[in-house]
Amino acid sequence: GAVVSQHPSRVICKSGTSVKIECRSLDFQATTMFWYRQFPKKSLMLMATSNEGSKATYEQGVEKDKFLINHASLTLSTLTVTSAHPEDSSFYICSGQGPYEQYFGPGTRLTVT
Amino acid sequence: GENVEQHPSTLSVQEGDSAVIKCTYSDSASNYFPWYKQELGKRPQLIIDIRSNVGEKKDQRIAVTLNKTAKHFSLHITETQPEDSAVYFCAARGGSNYKLTFGKGTLLTVNP
Repeated sequence: GAVVSQHPSRVICKSGTSVKIECRSLDFQATTMFWYRQFPKKSLMLMATSNEGSKATYEQGVEKDKFLINHASLTLSTLTVTSAHPEDSSFYICSGQGPYEQYFGPGTRLTVT
Repeated sequence: GENVEQHPSTLSVQEGDSAVIKCTYSDSASNYFPWYKQELGKRPQLIIDIRSNVGEKKDQRIAVTLNKTAKHFSLHITETQPEDSAVYFCAARGGSNYKLTFGKGTLLTVNP
C-alpha cells in the first residue's frame, strides 16, 4: 500500500512555544490530507481537512489560529501548533487520501511541559 | 453530520473463538465503511472495508457485513489469535469530501 510519513515521531516542547509537524505522502500524490488528534484510549477525532493549494477546512471547535495547516504541495502538509499548552499534548495523526482509501502516517506524540 | 456508534467498547475472548464488533451509522448517504486495527502507539491499519453496493466481504479470518436498510455493519473475526489483540475502529464515509467518521473503538483481548 501507499506510504505516509510524519516527522517528528515524538516532540517535547515548553508551554508557549510552537511546534511544526510534517506529513508526507511518499509514493502517491495526495490532493487531500487529513489531520486527526487522538487522546489516550480514545478514538481519532478529525481536526481539519487540508486541500493542496487552498485553505484548510476545520472541524467545529478546532481553532484555526492555533492549529495552522499548510498544504503547499501534493506530497506535503504541515500542522503547526502555536502557543502550545499542556492540554495540547496528544497523538497527532495525518492521512493522505489515495484513489480508494486513506493512508495514515505513523503519528506524532506531542508533549507540552 | 455523520454519527457512528460502536459496540462493545471492550471484548475479551479465548483463543480460537470468534469475535464480533458492531457499528451503526446515521447518514444514509454514507457509502464506504472501513475497519481499522490499531496497536498501542501505532497508526491505524486498514484490515477490511466494504462499499454500499455489497452486503458482505470476506478476507481469510475476517469478514464484514453491511445492512444498508438498518444502517449497521459488523466485523467478524474467526479463529482469533493473541496477535489479534488490539483496538478496532469502524468508520463511515459519505459524500464527496472523503471525510471519515470513526466509532469510539473496541479493545479486543484474545486470551491464550
